[in-house]
Amino acid sequence: GAVVSQHPSWVICKSGTSVKIECRSLDFQATTMFWYRQFPKQSLMLMATSNEGSKATYEQGVEKDKFLINHASLTLSTLTVTSAHPEDSSFYICSATPWITEAFFGQGTRLTVV
Amino acid sequence: TQLLEQSPQFLSIQEGENLTVYCNSSSVFSSLQWYRQEPGEGPVLLVTVVTGGEVKKLKRLTFQFGDARKDSSLHITAAQPGDTGLYLCAGAGQGAQKLVFGQGTRLTINP
Repeated sequence: GAVVSQHPSWVICKSGTSVKIECRSLDFQATTMFWYRQFPKQSLMLMATSNEGSKATYEQGVEKDKFLINHASLTLSTLTVTSAHPEDSSFYICSATPWITEAFFGQGTRLTVV
Repeated sequence: TQLLEQSPQFLSIQEGENLTVYCNSSSVFSSLQWYRQEPGEGPVLLVTVVTGGEVKKLKRLTFQFGDARKDSSLHITAAQPGDTGLYLCAGAGQGAQKLVFGQGTRLTINP
């Protein structure tokens, strides 16, 4: 299968600071990547679709100024949580699809805002 | 809006028992995937089903896609503690890369 790498695996930051999470497709090019948020014991909630070379598409209820997405190359998308607060603490996961029928996920990033 | 209803959401059984997880929708999907997720990790793809009525087997796991491509099931035979995890079904609409996820089934196999 295809490999998607996410970094960092976990991060602790102070309230009010910003955190950047990277998602890389290692062995394929991805014009589209997806960012999810997962609360404990729940399924994945799609936050936004990251499009290479253009603006991200955000799901309803997701603040685009809060969660900045940049997809500057065919193998890298970044999610920046700006002015983080404790309620932003969560598990963030990215995915990419080398072909339409299947998605491959990164390892996830555990964000803790203190 | 396409929705996938996954059931049960929680299941705790003894080692050696069989179980079935269901994923149902009123919408037609071009494909459906099943993932397994361990705590603190991203979901790992188990199987993709594409053709209506398709059955795929992965050791003790049997996956089936409904004839109308609106539902799917995952059957585990003789469950083992190593099967414990969160199982997710996800459907892809026609020509769409964006997946629709079910609510997930948290499976616990007790020794």
